[in-house]
Amino acid sequence: QSVLTQPPSASGTPGQRVTISCSGSSSNIGSNTVNWYQQLPGTAPKLLIYNNNQRPSGVPDRFSGSKSGTSASLAISGLQSEDEADYYCAAWDDSLNGLYVFGTGTKVTVL
Amino acid sequence: EVELVQSGAEVKKPGESLKISCKASGYSFISYWIGWVRQMPGKGLEWMGIIYPGDSDTIYSPSFQGQVTISADKSISTAYLQWRSLKASDSAMYYCARQNTREGWFDPWGQGTLVTVSS
Repeated sequence: QSVLTQPPSASGTPGQRVTISCSGSSSNIGSNTVNWYQQLPGTAPKLLIYNNNQRPSGVPDRFSGSKSGTSASLAISGLQSEDEADYYCAAWDDSLNGLYVFGTGTKVTVL
Repeated sequence: EVELVQSGAEVKKPGESLKISCKASGYSFISYWIGWVRQMPGKGLEWMGIIYPGDSDTIYSPSFQGQVTISADKSISTAYLQWRSLKASDSAMYYCARQNTREGWFDPWGQGTLVTVSS
C-alpha cells in the first residue's frame, strides 16, 4: 500500500494554478528527494520532476516542485487542457533495506 | 535515444507461468538499474523491485518478494519479470523503467505490458 498520501482529485479552469500535495514521513520524503510522474490517459507514466524541483528537458516550466520536511508539492501554473492526467509523487524509503514508494495519485481535471 | 520496449499483451489461465520482457537500447544496459512497476486496473502505481544488470543484484518490494522473479540478460540488453504460477489477481499493466542511480528517479519508462489472467 502507498505510504505517500495525495488528494484523490484536483481541478481548475484553463489558466489557473493547481497545487497537489504529497505527505510522507521521516523515512521517505524526510530523508530523500521527491520525484513526480505524469500519466496521461492510456499511456505509461512519464518523469515530470526529479530531485524535488528539477525539470527534465522538454517539461514546460509551468510545472514546478517543492519540498519541506516530510511533505512535497507539485504546482501547475497556467493550467492547460493537455495537463489533464494522473500525477504521482514518489520517493525512496529508508526502511526495509530501501524501497521506492509511490503516492496514492491525484487526478487533475481541467474544467 | 534511450528506449525501453516491452513485450506484447498476454492472456493466460490461472496456474500458468509467464515471462515478460523489457528490451533496452541507446545506453549501456549494464550500468543502470531497471525497475518493474505494477498498475492494477483503475489503480495507482506499485513498485515491485529493481535489478542491476551488471551483476544481477536484485531488490524486491516485500509485497512482491517470492511472488515474482526479476532477471536480466545483459547479452541482449533485456530485463524480465516472471511468474511461476499466475493468479487472477496478477491481472494488471506492468511497466519497466530505467533508474538513473541506485536511489534515483525512473526515466524513461517502457510502454507497458498488459497481463490478463482468466479461466
